[in-house]
Amino acid sequence: EAQVTQNPRYLITVTGKKLTVTCSQNMNHEYMSWYRQDPGLGLRQIYYSMNVEVTDKGDVPEGYKVSRKEKRNFPLILESPSPNQTSLYFCASSFVGRGLATNEKLFFGSGTQLSVL
Amino acid sequence: ELKVEQNPLFLSMQEGKNYTIYCNYSTTSDRLYWYRQDPGKSLESLFVLLSNGAVKQEGRLMASLDTKARLSTLHITAAVHDLSATYFCAVDIDRGNDMRFGAGTRLTVKP
Repeated sequence: EAQVTQNPRYLITVTGKKLTVTCSQNMNHEYMSWYRQDPGLGLRQIYYSMNVEVTDKGDVPEGYKVSRKEKRNFPLILESPSPNQTSLYFCASSFVGRGLATNEKLFFGSGTQLSVL
Repeated sequence: ELKVEQNPLFLSMQEGKNYTIYCNYSTTSDRLYWYRQDPGKSLESLFVLLSNGAVKQEGRLMASLDTKARLSTLHITAAVHDLSATYFCAVDIDRGNDMRFGAGTRLTVKP
C-alpha cells in the first residue's frame, strides 16, 4: 500500500531534550516536505527536499533540522525543543517535477502531535 | 507578504443546502489545491487546479480557479453529513517547492 509513515504518532517531551520524528515513504517520491499545523494558521512549511542530499528551508525553519540521506526517509530533528514548537506535524511527499506534471498532489502522513513541556 | 485567506473559517449548514467556500491569495500563481482533513486525521487531496478557468467536480464538491482574480471557490451542493470536515486551500508559489495553506474552513453539516 502506498503511504507516508510518520513516527511517533504522539510525543510528549521536555524543553531542551533532543528528539527526532521519522518519516518514510514507499512511493519512490523525490520530493518530501515537513509542515506544522497550528489552530487558525493552517499548515506552514518547515523544510523540504527535492531529492537525496538536497534540502531547503520553508516558511518556518527556525529550531528545526532535516536530513535526506536516503530517498525514502526524511527525518525532522528538534535539537533543543521549546514549548512554542508544540504543534501537529505532517510529513508529505510527491513526485518531483511538480511544475511540469499535470496532476501532482502531496501525499500526507498521519501526523505527529508533539507537546513540549 | 503572501496571504492565503479562506472564508468562512467556520461553516455550519443544513443537509441539502448549497454553499461556497472562498480562497483568496495575494500572489501570482496558476496552481491551487484543495485538501480535506477529517478530525484527528491527515490531509487528503481533493482537487488540483492548474490553470485559469479550471473547474473540477467530484460528487457534491466542485472547485474552480480564477487566476486573474486570485480566487478559488469550493462549492458544496446538497450537503450531506459525510462532508463534515476541515477544508484547506493551498497555493503553489514556487513550482512545487513552496505551497502555502489557508487557515482552513471547518464545515459542519447538520441533519
